[in-house]
Amino acid sequence: DAKTTQPPSMDCAEGRAANLPCNHSTISGNEYVYWYRQIHSQGPQYIIHGLKNNETNEMASLIITEDRKSSTLILPHATLRDTAVYYCIVRTQLLNTGNQFYFGTGTSLTVIP
Amino acid sequence: NAGVTQTPKFRVLKTGQSMTLLCAQDMNHEYMYWYRQDPGMGLRLIHYSVGEGTTAKGEVPDGYNVSRLKKQNFLLGLESAAPSQTSVYFCASISAASGSYEQYFGPGTRLTVT
Repeated sequence: DAKTTQPPSMDCAEGRAANLPCNHSTISGNEYVYWYRQIHSQGPQYIIHGLKNNETNEMASLIITEDRKSSTLILPHATLRDTAVYYCIVRTQLLNTGNQFYFGTGTSLTVIP
Repeated sequence: NAGVTQTPKFRVLKTGQSMTLLCAQDMNHEYMYWYRQDPGMGLRLIHYSVGEGTTAKGEVPDGYNVSRLKKQNFLLGLESAAPSQTSVYFCASISAASGSYEQYFGPGTRLTVT
């Protein structure tokens, strides 16, 4: 079963906030949520990550619900260059073998002029 | 710095042929990962390595082997290619000193098996 589920596509008007949801209802207490984006089939690029607190950086904000079963990535002022596929990812830390990352199927965000 | 590079960029194989994909990073990162991405899907982890000489299986390891003989290189091998292995392959690396575990991805290798 997928660790994360995302809507397949969304539109957003240029200059408005883009809110991308993700469900991760089976997440464990020590698993982190990550967001990456992929433009034109290039390698994915890191955006932000969090465990249970809300996080903000120069690119975006991450809002994680109190029960940690879902999160929302917020791009505060979407531009045309934000058109991409956005992936919600869970990082699992294994005892002796490091970290594994589980990607969702992604949300294709189209920013409309 | 070149970051993460992947060789080759494109390859067409016939069923049953073998090949090796090379991932190289010049950032002195400890962790390296191989993923595959099928059309309309997210990336799935094939194998990964937490250091030179170590490897571990990911979600979809069957049909692939890996080696990490040098810290900067992570090789992905297909011993007997199958059409189901047609995909785009991405490599990524992470610095162990990074508290964020941010992955740096290569540009990908597009493999077609006929």
